[in-house]
Amino acid sequence: KNEVEQSPQNLTAQEGEFITINCSYSVGISALHWLQQHPGGGIVSLFMLSSGKKKHGRLIATINIQEKHSSLHITASHPRDSAVYICAVTSGTYKYIFGTGTRLKVLA
Amino acid sequence: EAGVTQFPSHSVIEKGQTVTLRCDPISGHDNLYWYRRVMGKEIKFLLHFVKESKQDESGMPNNRFLAERTGGTYSTLKVQPAELEDSGVYFCASSQTSNEQFFGPGTRLTVL
Repeated sequence: KNEVEQSPQNLTAQEGEFITINCSYSVGISALHWLQQHPGGGIVSLFMLSSGKKKHGRLIATINIQEKHSSLHITASHPRDSAVYICAVTSGTYKYIFGTGTRLKVLA
Repeated sequence: EAGVTQFPSHSVIEKGQTVTLRCDPISGHDNLYWYRRVMGKEIKFLLHFVKESKQDESGMPNNRFLAERTGGTYSTLKVQPAELEDSGVYFCASSQTSNEQFFGPGTRLTVL
């Protein structure tokens, strides 16, 4: 069992829909990261969280430390949001521990 | 400010050959990391440099992999001899502190 689990693995949505991607982890963490990778593109950091909630544009990330769970929400989704969204944690060391990613496709 | 760059973007080699991947971190970043994603799996840590020193190489799969960072600037990752299971995407990342890492575009390695 991976230390970081994401769900769903694949997600197809219609443009405008509200999207939620979940991440659960089984280790103590110093921070949780949400990352994005567009097809053929590099990995881009979206959020780094250690508590509470962060918002950037249409993206919102929340974390519940007690439940070891984080969610990434996309409001008013758009086809350009189509990408792989990856959850990763840092736990006592500098290295990232990654989830398997969620492949999102938003249809026009 | 230039981001993390990696070279080459793609490499196709035959089993038994040698390949060297290069990573140029963001200028001034002392921390440099190598990661790898093999088909269908999550990205996994390979090793971490602080300047020219290997801080953690616990993720290196075996002794066919050799990473260097002479002078504490760019880093190379050599695979010799390459095996089929080494195919994947190799990512490099750098950071100034222990927090947010900045990733390169990756090198896609295919071993035939």
